[in-house]
Amino acid sequence: DQQVKQNSPSLSVQEGRISILNCDYTNSMFDYFLWYKKYPAEGPTFLISISSIKDKNEDGRFTVFLNKSAKHLSLHIVPSQPGDSAVYFCAADDTGRRALTFGSGTRLQVQP
Amino acid sequence: DTAVSQTPKYLVTQMGNDKSIKCEQNLGHDTMYWYKQDSKKFLKIMFSYNNKELIINETVPNRFSPKSPDKAHLNLHINSLELGDSAVYFCASSQQKTTTQETQYFGPGTRLLVL
Repeated sequence: DQQVKQNSPSLSVQEGRISILNCDYTNSMFDYFLWYKKYPAEGPTFLISISSIKDKNEDGRFTVFLNKSAKHLSLHIVPSQPGDSAVYFCAADDTGRRALTFGSGTRLQVQP
Repeated sequence: DTAVSQTPKYLVTQMGNDKSIKCEQNLGHDTMYWYKQDSKKFLKIMFSYNNKELIINETVPNRFSPKSPDKAHLNLHINSLELGDSAVYFCASSQQKTTTQETQYFGPGTRLLVL
């Protein structure tokens, strides 16, 4: 029973364009959402997060949007750069439980 | 100045053996975690410890025993290794605060292969 879903296993975009990665969740108890970036043979690196009391959080080229009614969040990367090529994991936390539930990841490839 | 470190990075061993993976964090965090990334690439929580006390144990076989000698270390000992234990194991840590949401920071992973 996947509580966090990333339905696109891969995404390819041109350098300079926008990358949009999507994530859906089913558990209403989730109140904190995170995006991690992962390179091969490395651990996940924290990218950006958003609390359930907000609908948008921005950090440089990265913006996360949260639609609570749709149980959907997305990560926008503008402009995309070749160095952004990695696997992106969406994760959700129930603050009372303190254990992340991860999606299956989306492999982003940014073409020069 | 590594924040969360794990040793070893790679571990190849025979079925039935006992092995340990070590994790250390120098972030001053109170909570540490073990996650397993299986062949389908899902990262799943195994254990969490807060100040050396077990908080979460996610239906993990008894062959897996975490040990926390102090709040900066959380080691994972695995008895009687099975083929299905082959995976990448990630350690993570976060600052424990009761009223705020905390980000977890991950180590580089330990790639375990059981032959």
